[in-house]
Amino acid sequence: GQQLNQSPQSMFIQEGEDVSMNCTSSSIFNTWLWYKQDPGEGPVLLIALYKAGELTSNGRLTAQFGITRKDSFLNISASIPSDVGIYFCAGNPQETSGSRLTFGEGTQLTVNP
Amino acid sequence: DAGVTQSPTHLIKTRGQQVTLRCSPKSGHDTVSWYQQALGQGPQFIFQYYEEEERQRGNFPDRFSGHQFPNYSSELNVNALLLGDSALYLCASSPLDRYSPLHFGNGTRLTVT
Repeated sequence: GQQLNQSPQSMFIQEGEDVSMNCTSSSIFNTWLWYKQDPGEGPVLLIALYKAGELTSNGRLTAQFGITRKDSFLNISASIPSDVGIYFCAGNPQETSGSRLTFGEGTQLTVNP
Repeated sequence: DAGVTQSPTHLIKTRGQQVTLRCSPKSGHDTVSWYQQALGQGPQFIFQYYEEEERQRGNFPDRFSGHQFPNYSSELNVNALLLGDSALYLCASSPLDRYSPLHFGNGTRLTVT
């Protein structure tokens, strides 16, 4: 089936640093979504992208839908301790509809105060 | 406004047994999807229910079945449990609209011994 390659697998940064993570696919995606998951909880939506080239911000978070429709990145600026968690990219491959998301393997983010 | 609620939060079963997990969607949502998240991995799509019918299905065996009730709540049933079925089972809901992202519950942690 479809696979998303998410990188890096983990990141260890100092508070105040900027963070960048990305996701790539071998096939075209219609949507790209970024979720954050804290221990013991379900994924929480951060940003949703629906058009190639779209650049969207949500506070200190910025994400882009790649122009080829095969990739997306998420940037976090001026990280704070509560940014700790696992970040997942997800999307709909071209032949599927909204509920059937394909997820990446996640990026574990650790922020040192 | 309650979000997606799932019960129980934790469950321990023995190999070969059957299990039923329950989900109430977010208010205003009529579509429910189920995902399996193994430890250290991203969620994987099991199936989607809308208007009390299974609409899409991922790559899961027939041991996994579901149901949606007239009030949009849903159940996930797994028969003949295997050790490999141990995972976090996430329920997600949305309106039936390809541009409405999924909202996830906090999941049911199933352990099969």
